[in-house]
Amino acid sequence: AQRVTQPEKLLSVFKGAPVELKCNYSYSGSPELFWYVQYSRQRLQLLLRHISRESIKGFTADLNKGETSFHLKKPFAQEEDSAMYYCALTGGNQGGKLIFGQGTELSVKP
Amino acid sequence: DGGITQSPKYLFRKEGQNVTLSCEQNLNHDAMYWYRQDPGQGLRLIYYSQIVNDFQKGDIAEGYSVSREKKESFPLTVTSAQKNPTAFYLCASSSDRAQPQHFGDGTRLSIL
Repeated sequence: AQRVTQPEKLLSVFKGAPVELKCNYSYSGSPELFWYVQYSRQRLQLLLRHISRESIKGFTADLNKGETSFHLKKPFAQEEDSAMYYCALTGGNQGGKLIFGQGTELSVKP
Repeated sequence: DGGITQSPKYLFRKEGQNVTLSCEQNLNHDAMYWYRQDPGQGLRLIYYSQIVNDFQKGDIAEGYSVSREKKESFPLTVTSAQKNPTAFYLCASSSDRAQPQHFGDGTRLSIL
């Protein structure tokens, strides 16, 4: 079955600490992985996608096919990073539809 | 900002009533999607459309219906058959299946 799992419902860190939001997936083909973010009172927006291999707002994510993971990392968390983060995947036979994880709320404390 | 506009922002439904949520995009995107967001469950796909006059069921289509008569519009009707309609509904679009989706602000539906 195709599935995205985000094991942490809430992740709380202090400003300046490293942060890692976990994402594991189950997919039979070659998926494309995304991280979407929803800041307070804003719409859901794309943060990054694995094929871009870029760093956005200091965040990076590496696709590990062996461990079927796509964890989101940032070495030094900022208060403005506090938001809801969703991991999602799509595949060649998905018609573009996204399969989302349950989401992780990141809270960065001063 | 523009892109995808969902209306209304809040909607209330009486028992046995059908309600329609509007989704309009000016991005010239071919594909459009409807998701339902419940606390602790992430987003689940209701219906999607890759082209005008064509749409497919998602994972939780029961109790919902859609139409795609125009490229820019993809309205969602929550019918009386949907027994648990209270949720936050998000509409999205993308230029094609390989491109990231752009989301609207959402509509929160509640039962009176």
